[in-house]
Amino acid sequence: GNSVTQMEGPVTLSEEAFLTINCTYTATGYPSLFWYVQYPGEGLQLLLKATKADDKGSNKGFEATYRKETTSFHLEKGSVQVSDSAVYFCALSTYNDMRFGAGTRLTVKP
Amino acid sequence: DGGITQSPKYLFRKEGQNVTLSCEQNLNHDAMYWYRQDPGQGLRLIYYSQIVNDFQKGDIAEGYSVSREKKESFPLTVTSAQKNPTAFYLCASSMARAGNQPQHFGDGTRLSIL
Repeated sequence: GNSVTQMEGPVTLSEEAFLTINCTYTATGYPSLFWYVQYPGEGLQLLLKATKADDKGSNKGFEATYRKETTSFHLEKGSVQVSDSAVYFCALSTYNDMRFGAGTRLTVKP
Repeated sequence: DGGITQSPKYLFRKEGQNVTLSCEQNLNHDAMYWYRQDPGQGLRLIYYSQIVNDFQKGDIAEGYSVSREKKESFPLTVTSAQKNPTAFYLCASSMARAGNQPQHFGDGTRLSIL
């Protein structure tokens, strides 16, 4: 079946550090890939998406590239801020299924 | 502003009691979903609906029930058969089930046992 595996957290970084959160997937067919962010006490918000191989999704300084050969969709940001502290979820969607990773908690310290 | 509204934000259930969580959307989306989130875990699908008057079980439907009488509304009932109901419940909607359509989420309801 379809599944998403994220790197385990928590991840703690200093402000302005480089961020990578790894995400790999298993899916039949050609899924669309998403990153969502969840702030404390809130629902998930779409951060970025990519719908086909080699697409790069980007938003608010975050980027992720759909790599079909490595079945990966790693999230990156060049310089994190304290306001980026949240839980990040990788997700995939096929024609009849959507799966979320377990989430990675990021804490950014001043 | 279009979006999804969940209510209440906090809910307490007594033993043997059924409780209903509300979810309303004004995005004109066809598909709606209920997820359960436990601390440190990802989202688990309880039920989903692709169209009015139709819904399907997700991965953990036991002890829960839903209805979809209107396009805008998808209430979830946590029945007394659900022995471990304490969790954060999230409602979501999308233009269509899966595919390249992202899901839009409400702010959740936190359910606790008294």
